[in-house]
Amino acid sequence: GAGVSQSPRYKVAKRGQDVALRCDPISGHVSLFWYQQALGQGPEFLTYFQNEAQLDKSGLPSDRFFAERPEGSVSTLKIQRTQQEDSAVYLCASSPLRTGELFFGEGSRLTVL
Amino acid sequence: GQQLNQSPQSMFIQEGEDVSMNCTSSSIFNTWLWYKQDPGEGPVLLIALYKAGELTSNGRLTAQFGITRKDSFLNISASIPSDVGIYFCAGRDNYGQNFVFGPGTRLSVLP
Repeated sequence: GAGVSQSPRYKVAKRGQDVALRCDPISGHVSLFWYQQALGQGPEFLTYFQNEAQLDKSGLPSDRFFAERPEGSVSTLKIQRTQQEDSAVYLCASSPLRTGELFFGEGSRLTVL
Repeated sequence: GQQLNQSPQSMFIQEGEDVSMNCTSSSIFNTWLWYKQDPGEGPVLLIALYKAGELTSNGRLTAQFGITRKDSFLNISASIPSDVGIYFCAGRDNYGQNFVFGPGTRLSVLP
């Protein structure tokens, strides 16, 4: 597709469940970012990939959060043993390497009950 | 860590008025991006700035990269109802690839 695609758009999980969020970036974009956006706040950086290499994961809040991009295209953000504080919108963005501008998907809204 | 401040936090204006908002940082940035986000949607890129002092327009929107490299400004001329939303600034320094986002300015346009 022409834009960044994320799925699912909405996910409700019971506390303790594992969830997986998928991101399909713009074709040809080398860089891929995950951000977390709490209600009423700006996006907060989680992690960054260049091709399949995870170059920065300094924003991941705990070891329950794991991201991968095995073939340098689609990426998955996995959250293990979800907690209520994980409830947020998870945004994926891709970027052409030369300009560095971020193009966002519509986000995946996670609600942990 | 790096932090961005945006002001005003929210604003209510009449349709047809001009709007100004700004973003300030404690750090020097080499790239500024401005986004608009509607409820339930992802942020949409409005303008990108790459050079100190740069002034860039996109239709009724104009943004400037401050000469100190610690601030940026966004102006919207002749506001219309569809300008309603949250406007975010984002900055990146020379050392990393990720962008830091501000807390946003919420714009409401009254008919």
